[in-house]
Amino acid sequence: KAGVTQTPRYLIKTRGQQVTLSCSPISGHRSVSWYQQTPGQGLQFLFEYFSETQRNKGNFPGRFSGRQFSNSRSEMNVSTLELGDSALYLCASSWTTTNTEAFFGQGTRLTVV
Amino acid sequence: DQQVKQNSPSLSVQEGRISILNCDYTNSMFDYFLWYKKYPAEGPTFLISISSIKDKNEDGRFTVFLNKSAKHLSLHIVPSQPGDSAVYFCAVIISSGSARQLTFGSGTQLTVLP
Repeated sequence: KAGVTQTPRYLIKTRGQQVTLSCSPISGHRSVSWYQQTPGQGLQFLFEYFSETQRNKGNFPGRFSGRQFSNSRSEMNVSTLELGDSALYLCASSWTTTNTEAFFGQGTRLTVV
Repeated sequence: DQQVKQNSPSLSVQEGRISILNCDYTNSMFDYFLWYKKYPAEGPTFLISISSIKDKNEDGRFTVFLNKSAKHLSLHIVPSQPGDSAVYFCAVIISSGSARQLTFGSGTQLTVLP
């Protein structure tokens, strides 16, 4: 059974650009959550999607957005990139929103220069 | 305002000894607690969890203890092995209706010395 797949693994963007990251959950999982990991802040919750609907959102500016497709695949978009957006972006999937265990992908390392 | 705190950024332990990782939380209404392990260049991997109705949960070498009165969670690894060297995150589940959010601590880097 394939795990959570995130693409691309590494990305370098320039300030002001926008970026789209992709996450394919484990087959059958309908909940996808996104997290940002930085050295100083640890893992911070961005948002969660279930059945194509955003169910919960963390404390991030509106430049961070996401969506989920009917096949449960999810994308995260960051517009007008800032240097501080450089981080590891992690996606996690689970069966439902009430499941306790979430399975993480390997992440996308975004570097903004 | 951090709801989950891991005050020790790093911990070194000799192989075969016990590793104790600590976590404090602020909200007594949290009802589920988890530990994740993360190796470099990989996503976090679920280790063990505990419900607020319990005070201990054991899985092989890993035991999680919950002290609700102190709002304190700890992970014991016995015996520690070099392969346990990783960053350990404690996390809580915050549920609101049908929405669920995992909130993580800042992590503790465990180094097990051979």
